[in-house]
Amino acid sequence: AQSVAQPEDQVNVAEGNPLTVKCTYSVSGNPYLFWYVQYPNRGLQFLLKYITGDNLVKGSYGFEAEFNKSQTSFHLKKPSALVSDSALYFCAVRAYQTGANNLFFGTGTRLTVIP
Amino acid sequence: EADIYQTPRYLVIGTGKKITLECSQTMGHDKMYWYQQDPGMELHLIHYSYGVNSTEKGDLSSESTVSRIRTEHFPLTLESARPSHTSQYLCASSEMGASYNEQFFGPGTRLTVL
Repeated sequence: AQSVAQPEDQVNVAEGNPLTVKCTYSVSGNPYLFWYVQYPNRGLQFLLKYITGDNLVKGSYGFEAEFNKSQTSFHLKKPSALVSDSALYFCAVRAYQTGANNLFFGTGTRLTVIP
Repeated sequence: EADIYQTPRYLVIGTGKKITLECSQTMGHDKMYWYQQDPGMELHLIHYSYGVNSTEKGDLSSESTVSRIRTEHFPLTLESARPSHTSQYLCASSEMGASYNEQFFGPGTRLTVL
């Protein structure tokens, strides 16, 4: 079975400080991992994904994520938070196997960047 | 401009009414999906399609139905709306092929059934 855990419902960070949004996953075999962001009353926007190779993945808007196989984690990071980064962030996983059609989403983490 | 559209954005309707939520994409994607999302919660896949005349049920059981007569169009229908159907419905699409292709999401339809 595939699953994603986002242990923090809410993360608050001061503007200009580094931010981390945590994600751990459970999947049979190698995972494909994704981060999406959702702004109020909007659909999800793709930020970045891990397929294979370099464990540090760079994405949109200055975000990056680090894949850690031993800890089964894929934490989202940004060196310097902006107020405009305040949104709901979703981690998702898909198993690398034939017939796996679905993205399994975490419950989301609400990021608030305080001016 | 290539995009994915959903209409209506907001719908308030009475119990027992038939509704259709529209989803269209101009990206030429073969795969399309419908997710259900309660406010601030995770997304649950309710339907997906690999292409024209292909429809499959997702992980979350849903009383809704879908159709895929044209590549770009993937409407979702509720024959008789109930208050338990109140939720946000998100449509998405992706390219066929590698299962690591990201999905592109529409803005969603927020449905309220009174």
